[in-house]
This record gives sequence, structure tokens and C-alpha cells, in this order.
Amino acid sequence: ETGVTQSPTHLIKTRGQQVTLRCSSQSGHNTVSWYQQALGQGPQFIFQYYREEENGRGNFPPRFSGLQFPNYSSELNVNALELDDSALYLCASSSGTTRANVLTFGAGSRLTVL
Amino acid sequence: AQSVTQLDSQVPVFEEAPVELRCNYSSSVSVYLFWYVQYPNQGLQLLLKYLSGSTLVESINGFEAEFNKSQTSFHLRKPSVHISDTAEYFCAVMSNQAGTALIFGKGTTLSVSS
Repeated sequence: ETGVTQSPTHLIKTRGQQVTLRCSSQSGHNTVSWYQQALGQGPQFIFQYYREEENGRGNFPPRFSGLQFPNYSSELNVNALELDDSALYLCASSSGTTRANVLTFGAGSRLTVL
Repeated sequence: AQSVTQLDSQVPVFEEAPVELRCNYSSSVSVYLFWYVQYPNQGLQLLLKYLSGSTLVESINGFEAEFNKSQTSFHLRKPSVHISDTAEYFCAVMSNQAGTALIFGKGTTLSVSS
């Protein structure tokens, strides 16, 4: 059973650029969530996708967008990058959207915005 | 709104000493509570969870946490720590608003020395 894999592991962008982060969910999982973890902080919920539809969103602006594909993998896109977008971006998958479904996290993509 | 407060940002202890990492939450409805551990350069791993039933929950590596509804707490304890327990620990509550979104505390760094 493969876990959650994320790519790239590290990347550097400049202000105003756009970035796409990718996530492959754990086998058998159909729900993907994205979190932003700034340095020294706990992860913050960005949004969740279930069966290719957004199924909940945290307090993030519209320039944070996502996609989920038929194989349940997912992308996080961030437009017009700002310095404060520098963070570790974590993807988590689960086997459903009920509160009892435990999230499995990937190792994250570390984004640095200069 | 739900929130999580981890009362200690850093906890240094000696090997084989007991440890308690404190977590308080605020919520007006029933909650699911979690502790996650994050080792350097890795994603989050579920340590233990409280969904319902017994208020004392245990993990396979000797940690335990007790759900105290009257004090709105979910403190994590271990009677004897090892060097390998050095990590960042996050307490989280599951939101009742957005799918299975987790609301995390800011984390507690547990440093175990010999």
C-alpha cells in the first residue's frame, strides 16, 4: 500500500509567479485535502476535494485553487505569489468525508517565495 | 469558531522522564480530537485520536491522551520518553463546518536529551 506522495519536494519562486503542486493520494482514498504550514506554525486548512468537486474551503483567497482528477490525485495552484506564501504545503488523503475518516499526510512541498 | 491552544511551545526533558504536552480546545459542539507527530523533514503522522467512547486513548508507542470535556482539554502524556520521541507534536480538532478539515494548534517541540 503506497502512501501519499507529493511533488516537488522543494521549489523556489519569485513574487508574482504561479506555482502548481501535485499530490497522489493513498491507494483506496478518494478525498484529498491541502494544508499550508508556515514556519513555526501549525498546518492551516486550504480546501478539500471529494470526487473531483471542492468539498470545503478554509480562509484562503481565490488565487489558491485546486483540482482533483478521476484517479483521485490532486493539484494545488497558487497564482500571483506573495512572500507570505512561503510555507510547507501538505496534502492529506482519506477514504471519505465523514469525521471518522482519518487523514494520511504526505511529506509536503516546501515553497520559498523570493 | 473552533480553536486549539497548545500551552507550551517547547518542552525539554531528559530520557526516561515522564512528559505531558498540554492541549486545550474551544468548541460549542461535539468534537473529534487528534494528536499528530512530525519528525524533521517529514509529514504528519497520526499518533492517536478520540472519536467517542472511552476518554482515555492510547497509541502503540506508549503515548496516551485523556479527553476531559469539562476542562476542554486533551493532554498528551508518556510515562518514560526516549531520544527517538524528539519531534514536533500537534493537537488538532476536527471542524464541524468543512468536511473533515482539521484545526491545528501551533505545535509543541519535544526535545529529549540523554
